[in-house]
Amino acid sequence: QVTLKESGPGILQPSQTLSLTCTFSGFSLSTYGMGVGWIRQPSGKGLEWLANIWWDDDKYYNPSLKNRLTISKDTSNNQAFLKITNVDTADTATYYCALITIAAISFDYWGQGVMVTVSS
Amino acid sequence: AIVLNQSPSSIIASQGEKVTITCRASSSISSNYLHWYQQKPGAFPKLVIYSTSYRASGVPSRFSGSGSGTSYSFTISRVEAEDVATYYCQQGSSNPYTFGAGTKLELK
Repeated sequence: QVTLKESGPGILQPSQTLSLTCTFSGFSLSTYGMGVGWIRQPSGKGLEWLANIWWDDDKYYNPSLKNRLTISKDTSNNQAFLKITNVDTADTATYYCALITIAAISFDYWGQGVMVTVSS
Repeated sequence: AIVLNQSPSSIIASQGEKVTITCRASSSISSNYLHWYQQKPGAFPKLVIYSTSYRASGVPSRFSGSGSGTSYSFTISRVEAEDVATYYCQQGSSNPYTFGAGTKLELK
């Protein structure tokens, strides 16, 4: 059974760095074809893909935020991480991590999401 | 970036009615990389259809998908009350992976 769960700071101030953790079970990020992606959703709005990391440590970022994003993983502890630097109010959203497989680049399983608010 | 134009943006349907959502891509996509998600109110998205026409595990047979190239569709053959949700298409063909703006399905 695949499960994912996001954790984060809840609230932070503009210009700070947002650090998110995805803790998962039911798959391994050392298995060929497996990856974790991060997607966010402002309240009442649509979905925006942010970044993926693959089993081989290959990383892909959304070019619109690339300079601000860093994705990483800890395979032995079944975790993936996302950092977003220099946040502002536009980064206020629910952040999801999801299992992706290289065969179709679909987000097969999602975490419940963590709400992040950027406010001074 | 490939833009996915979903239509309609909202649907009001009666139980038992057939509904179809269209997703048009700004560039051609391999059908292997076009997917549909369901997001119920207050919940996280759930994969419903992957690779254009394959139902994800546990998804009822009333959900189906079709299409190719730049034009894809998602159909619920007979809407049930539990299908009230927003539906999104998504392409994994090229970076950045993009989503349609969503179609909100409500019951009459």
